Amino acid sequence: SAVISQKPSRDICQRGTSLTIQCQVDSQVTMMFWYRQQPGQSLTLIATANQGSEATYESGFVIDKFPISRPNLTFSTLTVSNMSPEDSSIYLCSVDVSGTGTYEQYFGPGTRLTVT
Amino acid sequence: LAKTTQPISMDSYEGQEVNITCSHNNIATNDYITWYQQFPSQGPRFIIQGYKTKVTNEVASLFIPADRKSSTLSLPRVSLSDTAVYYCLVGRNTGFQKLVFGTGTRLLVSP
Repeated sequence: SAVISQKPSRDICQRGTSLTIQCQVDSQVTMMFWYRQQPGQSLTLIATANQGSEATYESGFVIDKFPISRPNLTFSTLTVSNMSPEDSSIYLCSVDVSGTGTYEQYFGPGTRLTVT
Repeated sequence: LAKTTQPISMDSYEGQEVNITCSHNNIATNDYITWYQQFPSQGPRFIIQGYKTKVTNEVASLFIPADRKSSTLSLPRVSLSDTAVYYCLVGRNTGFQKLVFGTGTRLLVSP
C-alpha cells in the first residue's frame, strides 16, 4: 500500500489564474497518475506522470493547460493553468504500487477546485 | 483497456451479502481486475484485485469465472458504512492501453 497526501485540499480561484497541486507519496513508486472527477461523476485520467521525462497525456488534455512535474519517485505536481469555471472539479493523484502495472492504485484525498 | 459494464445502483440492508457484477467481455490475456470503493469527498480506495478464480481478503471476495468475461465483488454482511460507489477496473499497463474508469455502482445500505 501507499499513503498519499495532496495540497491544497481545496481552493477557490479566479478565472485566468493558475493553481499548482502537490502530491506526496510515502514511498518510491514508478507509476503516478493524475485524474479529474466532476461531482457525482466517474474519474477521468488526465495524464501519467513519468519520473525524469515528460508526462503522457490522455486525449483531450494538453501540457500547456495541465503541466506536470515529476522530479523524483515520491513527488509530483499538477498545474491547472489559465483557469475557467469549467475547470472546477476534484483533482486526484494516484500511484500504482504493483510494480507490474496491474493498476493496484492508491489515491490521494483529492483537491477540490472551484473557479469563479 | 477492456470496457466494463456495471449496474448503476444497488440497494441492500444491513447484514446482507452484496454481490456486484462487472462485465468485461473483451478482457485481454494480461489484464487484471481491480475493484475500488469511493466515499463522498474522498479518493477511491483499493479493495481487491485478481486475475482468475477466487481472491479473498479481509474486506471482500472476488470471483472470476474461467472465461474471465465478468467478475463479481462480494461484500459479506454489509453495514451502513459500506454505502459507497464501487468501481470495477480492468487492464494492465502495457504502455498502449488507456486507463478508463467506468460509471461505477452506487450501493446504498439501509438499516
